[in-house]
Amino acid sequence: DAGVTQSPTHLIKTRGQQVTLRCSPKSGHDTVSWYQQALGQGPQFIFQYYEEEERQRGNFPDRFSGHQFPNYSSELNVNALLLGDSALYLCASSLEHSGANVLTFGAGSRLTVL
Amino acid sequence: GIQVEQSPPDLILQEGANSTLRCNFSDSVNNLQWFHQNPWGQLINLFYIPSGTKQNGRLSATTVATERYSLLYISSSQTTDSGVYFCAGSFSGGYNKLIFGAGTRLAVHP
Repeated sequence: DAGVTQSPTHLIKTRGQQVTLRCSPKSGHDTVSWYQQALGQGPQFIFQYYEEEERQRGNFPDRFSGHQFPNYSSELNVNALLLGDSALYLCASSLEHSGANVLTFGAGSRLTVL
Repeated sequence: GIQVEQSPPDLILQEGANSTLRCNFSDSVNNLQWFHQNPWGQLINLFYIPSGTKQNGRLSATTVATERYSLLYISSSQTTDSGVYFCAGSFSGGYNKLIFGAGTRLAVHP
């Protein structure tokens, strides 16, 4: 039973570039959330996707956008990269009608912006 | 704003020791969960515990929702327990948004 898979695992970009991160949820899950984790801090909520729509959003600028596909997989896009966007980006999946928002996390995509 | 405070921030143990990690939250919490992040960055869900007590092997957790805190107990610690422990919960107006504490960094030495 595959867990949450994320790609790429590591990437390096320069300021001003754009990046796309991908996530496949755990089998049977239908909801995907994205978190940003800066070095030495706890993860911070970016947004959540359910039924291909952004359902809730954290305090992140519009440079952060996403998408969910009919097979429940998701992408996170970040435009006009800043040095401060360097972080571990975590994808988590869950099942909407399980009665609890229990998250399963992927291993993350580590983004370095130079 | 909502605050999730974890203590202690750092903890060093000898293998075999027991420990208690604490999580305080500033408002009524839903979906309280404990996670372990290993040195490679993988977050593992340890417990979903909005209230009451649960046990899983050497780990157990207790949440007292009315007093706005949760505790994670680690008994007979092993070197593989090292890493960062996070608690996280959602609050009114943000059911789908988990707010994480800053974590407790645990190092278990042989």
